[in-house]
Amino acid sequence: DSGVTQTPKHLITATGQRVTLRCSPRSGDLSVYWYQQSLDQGLQFLIQYYNGEERAKGNILERFSAQQFPDLHSELNLSSLELGDSALYFCASSVAAVTGAVTGELFFGEGSRLTVL
Amino acid sequence: AQSVTQLDSHVSVSEGTPVLLRCNYSSSYSPSLFWYVQHPNKGLQLLLKYTSAATLVKGINGFEAEFKKSETSFHLTKPSAHMSDAAEYFCVVIWGFNKFYFGSGTKLNVKP
Repeated sequence: DSGVTQTPKHLITATGQRVTLRCSPRSGDLSVYWYQQSLDQGLQFLIQYYNGEERAKGNILERFSAQQFPDLHSELNLSSLELGDSALYFCASSVAAVTGAVTGELFFGEGSRLTVL
Repeated sequence: AQSVTQLDSHVSVSEGTPVLLRCNYSSSYSPSLFWYVQHPNKGLQLLLKYTSAATLVKGINGFEAEFKKSETSFHLTKPSAHMSDAAEYFCVVIWGFNKFYFGSGTKLNVKP
């Protein structure tokens, strides 16, 4: 058990809909990352937050957004869903320095599997 | 540009034989390097990490990796494969401020 909790584990929805994925990081970790894993694209970095602030952005679509709340949990919002958004979405957390720089490894949740029909 | 390359997308070995999963990186300085394993329908789990101490790093489940700066490589090895080692393995590097770079992954198949 990594200590990172993601909900829901599975989600089936229709095109055009909006979903929210939730992540609770390990106790004490201030930094949260979101990744998308699909068969054709592999593991893609989406976005990182540190203590409530966005720190790094990867290949995140404009239809997607995220935030990190004061209690450090994070949510990834996916809207106007398309078939191609079907994937496994991972949250990871990490210890970070005061500056937000990563100081160690990532701890991954078990993912939220999104299926868009 | 920084990058990490896993040279084999699939590796197949027989149970009890050695495992070699190859990873090369490009960098102008020494990065922090990791290997992660992902079992089917699971999250990624850290196998081992290199952070500029000993060049030979031992991880969990009998895996180890050797950092070779001259070859810019960080290959993962295990002397004897077990059926439970069948999974996908990712080489990961951190450069700079917050940049984690994942390799494309190597799927390890272990035959009985």
